[in-house]
Amino acid sequence: NAGVTQTPKFQVLKTGQSMTLQCAQDMNHEYMSWYRQDPGMGLRLIHYSVGAGITDQGEVPNGYNVSRSTTEDFPLRLLSAAPSQTSVYFCASREGADTQYFGPGTRLTVL
Amino acid sequence: RKEVEQDPGPFNVPEGATVAFNCTYSNSASQSFFWYRQDCRKEPKLLMSVYSSGNEDGRFTAQLNRASQYISLLIRDSKLSDSATYLCVVTGASYGKLTFGQGTILTVHP
Repeated sequence: NAGVTQTPKFQVLKTGQSMTLQCAQDMNHEYMSWYRQDPGMGLRLIHYSVGAGITDQGEVPNGYNVSRSTTEDFPLRLLSAAPSQTSVYFCASREGADTQYFGPGTRLTVL
Repeated sequence: RKEVEQDPGPFNVPEGATVAFNCTYSNSASQSFFWYRQDCRKEPKLLMSVYSSGNEDGRFTAQLNRASQYISLLIRDSKLSDSATYLCVVTGASYGKLTFGQGTILTVHP
């Protein structure tokens, strides 16, 4: 099993550009989530999904869209990048109350 | 009030010391509780789940107090390799959403 994979590992964008961060898991997990981590802020939940076709907003959803068309994939779209979105983004998956597994992260810089 | 609050530290302790971290949560309907560990610039990884009866894994002991809505982590006989950020994690009334505390930084020195 590859676990949770994220691409790209690093990305630099200009203000106003859009992009999609990819996340995939091969463990057939029901729940998937996206977090951002900023210095001194811990991990903040952006969006999460409890199954294919079902998504919900987390703590900081503005500026981001998600969809869950398959169990495996949970892409995060930045609609119009802003410098405030410079962060490290983690995707995670789990089954019910079991262990949550994280991807290695995407380091995004918006200039 | 934040949903999950931790003392950010940093805690600087010598090898062999015992150190304790506390975490409070605001949602009394929370179902599950965890401690995660995060090394510098890496993804968080599960350290241990926290059960109502308390649980131990080697040098690590976790406890849950539902009445007071706090969770604790005790590390005995600290090792250099324990240096990391420790994250308190709480689910909501359903399992869909995990909320993380801001993390407590631990540095163990020789």
